[in-house]
Amino acid sequence: DQQVKQNSPSLSVQEGRISILNCDYTNSMFDYFLWYKKYPAEGPTFLISISSIKDKNEDGRFTVFLNKSAKHLSLHIVPSQPGDSAVYFCAVYNFNKFYFGSGTKLNVKP
Amino acid sequence: NAGVTQTPKFRILKIGQSMTLQCAQDMNHNYMYWYRQDPGMGLKLIYYSVGAGITDKGEVPNGYNVSRSTTEDFPLRLELAAPSQTSVYFCASSLTGRNSNQPQHFGDGTRLSIL
Repeated sequence: DQQVKQNSPSLSVQEGRISILNCDYTNSMFDYFLWYKKYPAEGPTFLISISSIKDKNEDGRFTVFLNKSAKHLSLHIVPSQPGDSAVYFCAVYNFNKFYFGSGTKLNVKP
Repeated sequence: NAGVTQTPKFRILKIGQSMTLQCAQDMNHNYMYWYRQDPGMGLKLIYYSVGAGITDKGEVPNGYNVSRSTTEDFPLRLELAAPSQTSVYFCASSLTGRNSNQPQHFGDGTRLSIL
């Protein structure tokens, strides 16, 4: 039973344009959400998070949006750079446990 | 900065063999986690620990055991290896469970194949 779903396995974007990665979750009680970035042969690294008391959180080129009524969050990367090419995982935190989506592989073309 | 160190990086086991995946962190983190990642899938939590002497099950604990005798170390034990346990295993640590200022730090993973 997947708690978190990322329905797009891959996304290709031109350098300089916006990348939008999407994530849906099942439980309306979840209140803390995260995005991680993963390069091949490395562990995931934390990117940005958002609490359910907010609907937006920005950190440089990265912005996470939370739509609680739709149980949906998205990660916007503007402008996209070739170094952003990686797999992006969304995750939710619930009582000491993290639940991860299956990931979206982003390819930013020069 | 060592961070989270996992050993070994690669291992091939035969069905029925046992082994221990090692994980050590040098950041004095209280929380530690073990995940597995199957191809095309997200990370699934196997076990976690909120401090030395305290462990609890995650989503997929069957076939695994853990112990946390020190703050630094959190080994994962496979007693009777099965082909379904072929995966990439990640260990992570964090100071607290939920804090954007103290996110999880991951090791680089152990790729385990069981034949």
